[in-house]
Amino acid sequence: GQQLNQSPQSMFIQEGEDVSMNCTSSSIFNTWLWYKQEPGEGPVLLIALYKAGELTSNGRLTAQFGITRKDSFLNISASIPSDVGIYFCAGNSGYALNFGKGTSLLVTP
Amino acid sequence: NAGVTQTPKFQVLKTGQSMTLQCAQDMNHEYMSWYRQDPGMGLRLIHYSVGAGITDQGEVPNGYNVSRSTTEDFPLRLLSAAPSQTSVYFCASSSLSGQPSGANVLTFGAGSRLTVL
Repeated sequence: GQQLNQSPQSMFIQEGEDVSMNCTSSSIFNTWLWYKQEPGEGPVLLIALYKAGELTSNGRLTAQFGITRKDSFLNISASIPSDVGIYFCAGNSGYALNFGKGTSLLVTP
Repeated sequence: NAGVTQTPKFQVLKTGQSMTLQCAQDMNHEYMSWYRQDPGMGLRLIHYSVGAGITDQGEVPNGYNVSRSTTEDFPLRLLSAAPSQTSVYFCASSSLSGQPSGANVLTFGAGSRLTVL
């Protein structure tokens, strides 16, 4: 599969701080998506991006589809304890959705 | 609730045993897929299907078989389990209608944790 490089691998922050994570690839993707996984559950879609340059928000979350179509970032503003989980980027090429290795986020009150 | 249902949630096998992980969805999704999740490796695609009777290989297909006889079901078979197949397995589905390119907005099941001794 196509390699997605997601960073950082983990983050340990205080409640109220902003968070930024990103994903890069050597390949072009048609779609970028961001998922969140909580312990014992499957990933849940947060944001889907369909066009190069697209900037989309979902509450405190904002994500952008890079102009080159090879990267994307996710920002979380004013983090809260329930933001804890693993965040995955994913890129679509045809019928295969390729996932990054995830960013583990811990938020302390 | 509508969604993706996986069974069993937990399974322990001995090396060489066979088993089937079941996956069913009630959303009439054309696309179904299986991923495995290992620590530090993210989610890796095993097999996928774009409709009944059609299956294809993903990134890590070796040791796994699939079939898609109905729209609703997409079982994953391990013919001879190996310790390297110890993992958490996720089934996911997506509608292909109106998707700009392929399957994107996947709905995941809760996962099946498999241990092979």
